[in-house]
Amino acid sequence: EDKVVQSPLSLVVHEGDTVTLNCSYEVTNFRSLLWYKQEKKAPTFLFMLTSSGIEKKSGRLSSILDKKELFSILNITATQTGDSAIYLCAVRFNNNDMRFGAGTRLTVKP
Amino acid sequence: DVKVTQSSRYLVKRTGEKVFLECVQDMDHENMFWYRQDPGLGLRLIYFSYDVKMKEKGDIPEGYSVSREKKERFSLILESASTNQTSMYLCASRWTAGYEQYFGPGTRLTVT
Repeated sequence: EDKVVQSPLSLVVHEGDTVTLNCSYEVTNFRSLLWYKQEKKAPTFLFMLTSSGIEKKSGRLSSILDKKELFSILNITATQTGDSAIYLCAVRFNNNDMRFGAGTRLTVKP
Repeated sequence: DVKVTQSSRYLVKRTGEKVFLECVQDMDHENMFWYRQDPGLGLRLIYFSYDVKMKEKGDIPEGYSVSREKKERFSLILESASTNQTSMYLCASRWTAGYEQYFGPGTRLTVT
């Protein structure tokens, strides 16, 4: 069965902390892994990863994929209260299938 | 900018009512999707469509149907709403060759 598992499901940190969010997957014919940030409404796209070991970076956020061990991590350094959101991992596989993880709810306290 | 709109942000319906959720995208995307999002379960795919008048079941199609008469519009229909269909419903669209799905703002449906 194709599945995407995110951990932890929930995380509370203080401003300035660094966090690591995890996404592991088991799918047939992996194509790409995507990270989204969801605040109060629609998810917004963060990164797409297709190759192992190549870090994608955007400001304080970075992500990397390990296709051998079938997981990805999303790092956020020097967290701010505006980083509070649900972070969703999605895996695209087969021809056109996509499966989402349950999400990690991150709360950053001042 | 890609824009995906949904007809309502909040909706309250009674058990047994027929419910229509509308989604419109303005970027000529071929693919459109309906998800529901529940705490601890993430986004689960209900139905998707690759083209006009074409639809395919997702992971949880039971109790739902869809309609795609025009390329820009994808409707989700709850034939007889039930309380277990209380959820956040998200519509998304994507170019066939693209990788990113563009989401609408969501409709929070409560069935009482």
